[in-house]
Amino acid sequence: DTGVSQNPRHKITKRGQNVTFRCDPISEHNRLYWYRQTLGQGPEFLTYFQNEAQLEKSRLLSDRFSAERPKGSFSTLEIQRTEQGDSAMYLCASSRDRFKYGYTTFGSGTRLTVV
Amino acid sequence: AQSVTQLGSHVSVSEGALVLLRCNYSSSVPPYLFWYVQYPNQGLQLLLKYTTGATLVKGINGFEAEFKKSETSFHLTKPSAHMSDAAEYFCAVTFSNDYKLSFGAGTTVTVRA
Repeated sequence: DTGVSQNPRHKITKRGQNVTFRCDPISEHNRLYWYRQTLGQGPEFLTYFQNEAQLEKSRLLSDRFSAERPKGSFSTLEIQRTEQGDSAMYLCASSRDRFKYGYTTFGSGTRLTVV
Repeated sequence: AQSVTQLGSHVSVSEGALVLLRCNYSSSVPPYLFWYVQYPNQGLQLLLKYTTGATLVKGINGFEAEFKKSETSFHLTKPSAHMSDAAEYFCAVTFSNDYKLSFGAGTTVTVRA
């Protein structure tokens, strides 16, 4: 169990650029989640995959946000035409099953700064 | 709608003193409740969870929490604070028919020597 891995840890980008973050979940976890955390707030749910199927994406903040999980393994979160308001910590998490066998494990996050 | 409220955005305690962080939830169905800790520039680490069974749950680092259905609360305590407990703490809730965690706004704990 190597934990949930997120890359990069930090990303600074200019407004209007596209960015992509990667998440590698715990290998035996079939569920994968993306959350966003802004300063002084708790994490906010964005989207959810069960294996390769994206079962919930209505919480993605706008159509500039998209996520994929090809082959049910790693996942990517892309933000197109970044805005300063997108600056936040983006957290990935995974779990094996709803909560039957354990709990949701979080990665260390990717901190995005849009300048 | 379900939600989580953490009372007090900042808590300051002396080293060796009791730590008490308050969390209340609102829900029409039985909740699953969690406390997470976050150190600067790091992700969330699970302290403890309540799903079913015993309402007093013990977690890592000497923390414990008690689920009180009548009060819709899940307060976190630690009898004796240590300097290493300085961090941000989040209460979270989910439900048997849900998949996402809903978090409170967090409580920042500082520990005075």
